[in-house]
Amino acid sequence: SAVISQKPSRDICQRGTSLTIQCQVDSQVTMMFWYRQQPGQSLTLIATANQGSEATYESGFVIDKFPISRPNLTFSTLTVSNMSPEDSSIYLCSVVWVNTEAFFGQGTRLTVV
Amino acid sequence: GQSLEQPSEVTAVEGAIVQINCTYQTSGFYGLSWYQQHDGGAPTFLSYNGLDGLEETGRFSSFLSRSDSYGYLLLQELQMKDSASYFCAVRADSWGKLQFGAGTQVVVTP
Repeated sequence: SAVISQKPSRDICQRGTSLTIQCQVDSQVTMMFWYRQQPGQSLTLIATANQGSEATYESGFVIDKFPISRPNLTFSTLTVSNMSPEDSSIYLCSVVWVNTEAFFGQGTRLTVV
Repeated sequence: GQSLEQPSEVTAVEGAIVQINCTYQTSGFYGLSWYQQHDGGAPTFLSYNGLDGLEETGRFSSFLSRSDSYGYLLLQELQMKDSASYFCAVRADSWGKLQFGAGTQVVVTP
């Protein structure tokens, strides 16, 4: 299994500011995934982060808004930039273990005011 | 387009059996997974089907028919702690990218 430490667990931010979310995995993994879960909704993939290359973003998500770093095989950050109230969501990082089971961080509950 | 369809809510009594169906239409398919999420918590893995057939894990079973683009999760001997949201998710590429259904809220009553 994989243990993921994600922080912060929650934050309240002013609109127009940025927040960086960190994820640390206890094992080396090739890919890390970032998801967004809007209130009462399902999970939507933001991007896939591979160490040493630029992240791959899903339709509707752009690097300027959600820059991602992946400096090594156990760590990644997601920044939510120039925030607006519509960015209020839970953000989750994830890794896939043994090609079948996905593990998630505990999530970052973001409120933008 | 790409979509995963599952019922929005199911209510059942303790000890009962619940089946949550999932039909999918995606551009890539490497398997169907199921995740449980309690309020305020992170999703946790329940089951995975890469091939057709039934997978059994304790009180939970999952089924896949790739020809029908259909799967289900079976929850047996329901307990109060099973009250949660259940998501089907298609593994959309070889790296493990997941596309999730909208989720089914399971409410277990005494």
